[in-house]
Amino acid sequence: QVHLVQSGAEVKKPGASMKVSCKVSGNTLSELSMHWVRQAPGKGLEWMGSFDPEDGEEGETIYAQKFQGRVTMTEDTSTDTAYMELSSLRSEDTAVYYCATGSLGYFHYWGQGTLVTVSS
Amino acid sequence: DIQMTQSPSTLSASVGDRVTISCRASQSISSWLAWYQQEPGKAPKLLIYKASSLESGVPSRFSGSGSGTEFTLTISSLQPDDFATYYCQQYNSYSPLTFGGGTKVEIK
Repeated sequence: QVHLVQSGAEVKKPGASMKVSCKVSGNTLSELSMHWVRQAPGKGLEWMGSFDPEDGEEGETIYAQKFQGRVTMTEDTSTDTAYMELSSLRSEDTAVYYCATGSLGYFHYWGQGTLVTVSS
Repeated sequence: DIQMTQSPSTLSASVGDRVTISCRASQSISSWLAWYQQEPGKAPKLLIYKASSLESGVPSRFSGSGSGTEFTLTISSLQPDDFATYYCQQYNSYSPLTFGGGTKVEIK
C-alpha cells in the first residue's frame, strides 16, 4: 500500500514561486510514476504533468503545455520525496495541489492535497 | 487535447436508486478511461480503470462500460456514502491527460 503525504498549506504573493513536496512510503519513489493534479476552488481536476523514473539517474518529465516554462517536477530518491515547483504565480493558481501515482496514467494513490492561496 | 464531457453536471437521486453518469471523449480513447469519486475536502478515489475494471476494494454496485468515445458509470443501488462528485479521466494520451468536468450526485 503506497502512502503519499504532502507538505502543508501555503500563502503566496502574485509573482512568487511555490514548491510542494510529496513523501512516499510503502514503496520507493524510483519505482513510481508521480503525477501532479490541481483543483481550483469549486472546480474540476486538472493534470499538470508527471515525472517518470527511467534507467539511470535521469527521469523523464512530461508537462501539460499550459504549464510549460512555469512548472518543474523533481524527485529526491534518497528521501523518497517528489517536488512540484510552480513559478510566476497568479491568482488563478489558487488551488489544491495533489500528487498522485499510478502505472498507466490513471491514479491508484493520491496525496491529501496542499492548498496554495495566491493573494496580495 | 482530448476533451472529456460528462453529463449531467448535477444529478439528484435517492438512496436505492440506479444512477448512470455519462462521459464522452472528443476522439477515440479505446478503453483507456478511469472513474473517480471525490467527497468534499478529500482527494479523489479510483473506482474503475480500463473502462470497466473495478478497483480492488470498491463495492460491486459500481460498474463501468463503454469504449471508443462513449462511456458510462453506473451505481446499481445508491448508498448514503455515494453522494459525492464523480470524474472520468482519459489516459489514452499524455498530451495532456484530461478529466471530465465532474458530476455531482446530490440527495433528492
